[in-house]
Amino acid sequence: NAGVTQTPKFQVLKTGQSMTLQCAQDMNHEYMSWYRQDPGMGLRLIHYSVGAGITDQGEVPNGYNVSRSTTEDFPLRLLSAAPSQTSVYFCASRETGFEWQYFGPGTRLTVT
Amino acid sequence: SQQGEEDPQALSIQEGENATMNCSYKTSINNLQWYRQNSGRGLVHLILIRSNEREKHSGRLRVTLDTSKKSSSLLITASRAADTASYFCATDGTGTASKLTFGTGTRLQVTL
Repeated sequence: NAGVTQTPKFQVLKTGQSMTLQCAQDMNHEYMSWYRQDPGMGLRLIHYSVGAGITDQGEVPNGYNVSRSTTEDFPLRLLSAAPSQTSVYFCASRETGFEWQYFGPGTRLTVT
Repeated sequence: SQQGEEDPQALSIQEGENATMNCSYKTSINNLQWYRQNSGRGLVHLILIRSNEREKHSGRLRVTLDTSKKSSSLLITASRAADTASYFCATDGTGTASKLTFGTGTRLQVTL
């Protein structure tokens, strides 16, 4: 199993540009989530999904959209990037019946 | 808002010594989890302790939980250079495991 994969690893955007961060998992996990990690802070939950077709907001959802059309994929969309969205983004998944999460390697995003 | 605060922010020890890091949280929880993050990588789950447990062991890891003080500690015995990483506590207050709240992390440096 590849586990949780994220693309791209690095991305630089200009303010106002849009992009999609990709996340996929091959473990057939129902639950997936997106976090951002900023210096000196722990991870903060952006959006999560408990199954295909179901998404919900986390702690810091503003400026981000998600959809879950398949069990495997959970893309994160930035509609109009802002410098405040400069961060490292992590995708995670969890198996139903278990409480811990498996994390991807992260995407480092810089918005100038 | 951050649920967990970790102490110390940074810890430097020599190989073979024990490392203790602490986590405090604010609201009631169902379980508390510890994760490790190597530099530039995603988080890896280490151990989970439930609210009705006081102590748990896994290999060289020992976790304690004091719900009356809303605190937890992670002890790594006989540290190795490979233990160099950041360690995060994460709490599940909802019972659904859908919204983990992470602490700010402790950076552990183990030198030879």
